[in-house]
Formats: sequence, C-alpha cells, structure tokens
Amino acid sequence: GAGVSQSPSNKVTEKGKDVELRCDPISGHTALYWYRQSLGQGLEFLIYFQGNSAPDKSGLPSDRFSAERTGGSVSTLTIQRTQQEDSAVYLCASSPGTGSNSPLHFGNGTRLTVT
Amino acid sequence: AQSVTQLGSHVSVSEGALVLLRCNYSSSVPPYLFWYVQYPNQGLQLLLKYTSAATLVKGINGFEAEFKKSETSFHLTKPSAHMSDAAEYFCAVSEGGYNKLIFGAGTRLAVHP
Repeated sequence: GAGVSQSPSNKVTEKGKDVELRCDPISGHTALYWYRQSLGQGLEFLIYFQGNSAPDKSGLPSDRFSAERTGGSVSTLTIQRTQQEDSAVYLCASSPGTGSNSPLHFGNGTRLTVT
Repeated sequence: AQSVTQLGSHVSVSEGALVLLRCNYSSSVPPYLFWYVQYPNQGLQLLLKYTSAATLVKGINGFEAEFKKSETSFHLTKPSAHMSDAAEYFCAVSEGGYNKLIFGAGTRLAVHP
C-alpha cells in the first residue's frame, strides 16, 4: 500500500490480557515511531526505531510495554497485562530518514479499549 | 527539553473568516517546527514545516505559518476558512536530531456556516 498501515483498527480487550498492535510502514522507510494519543495526555512519544534498533525507547510508560521491529519493516507494539489507563489510540509513523526534510507519515491508528 | 504550547483547545470561526491557531515553543536550540492536521478517525497529516530556510512557511490547503523568534511563536493562519478545515490541529517541535516530535495539546477547529 501507499501509506502506513496499522492493524487492528480497533481492539477491545479485558483488563489483564495481553495485546499486540501491528504497524506496516511505507516501504523503504528506515525510521519508525510509535505514539499514544489519549484524552488528557495528548500525543505522547513512545519509541523510535532506526532499522531494527530502538535508540530511543524513553516514552514507554512501563515495563508492560515493549516493541520490536523485524526486517527493517513491520513493527509490533505489545502491551502485557493491560490496564484501563492503557486505553488510547496508538499511532505509528514512518519516515524515509531522520533529517528535518523527512516528514513523518502517520497511520490511522489502533484504538485500544480496555474493559 | 523542548516543549510546545497551543493556546485555545477549541476555536470556532465562520466560513470565510480568518483562521488563527496559536503555537508557542520552548527550545534551547534553533527549532524545527511543524503543524499537523488530524481529521476524525485518521492519522496526522503534515500541513507545513519550518526548518530555518524562510520565516514564512506556506503549506497545503492554503495554510501558512510565520516563525517569530522574538516571540517564540509559530502561529498557523488561513485567510478564509472552509467547512472542510474543521479538524484538530497540532503544533510540534522536533527533538533529538531524529525527528522525534513533541506535540502540543492540539486545537480543535470548528467552522460554521
């Protein structure tokens, strides 16, 4: 596809369950970012990948959150033992590089609801 | 650390009126600044960016923004609002040298007939 693809678009899970959120970046984009958008917190940076490495994971809120990227392409954000405060829209973005002339291209997000 | 403040969480204008969305930044180095727009149930789309080449930046859909260092501002304007401009707008500053964006809280723009 032409854009960043995220799946699922919506996810409802029970408190305490694990969830996996997937991001397919634009082909050839080496940089990949995860953000969380929630009421009251706005848009928060979670983690940045360059290739398969994550030089900045400073935004991950707790050790229940982890992410990986394989083949310099697909990324998965995993939340273990979900809590109600994890309910949010999780946005993925990719970029062909990291310079200022490389704008971020965002997916439509995964809306996570923890009941 | 850099930060961004957007004044006004909600702005309402009439169709055809001037749009002015305010953004002030805090940065210890010359910043890279961005405006993004988010339509309902969609991701963010880049409107325009400032990277020090010119202080007046023109973007898509008739929007523009002016970088004013003395005021630490990067306000977004459009001379004449259209109904399709109704959306949420985010100002952001780049941090860390790898396009890590720090976003403002957003301004929801409503356009009424």
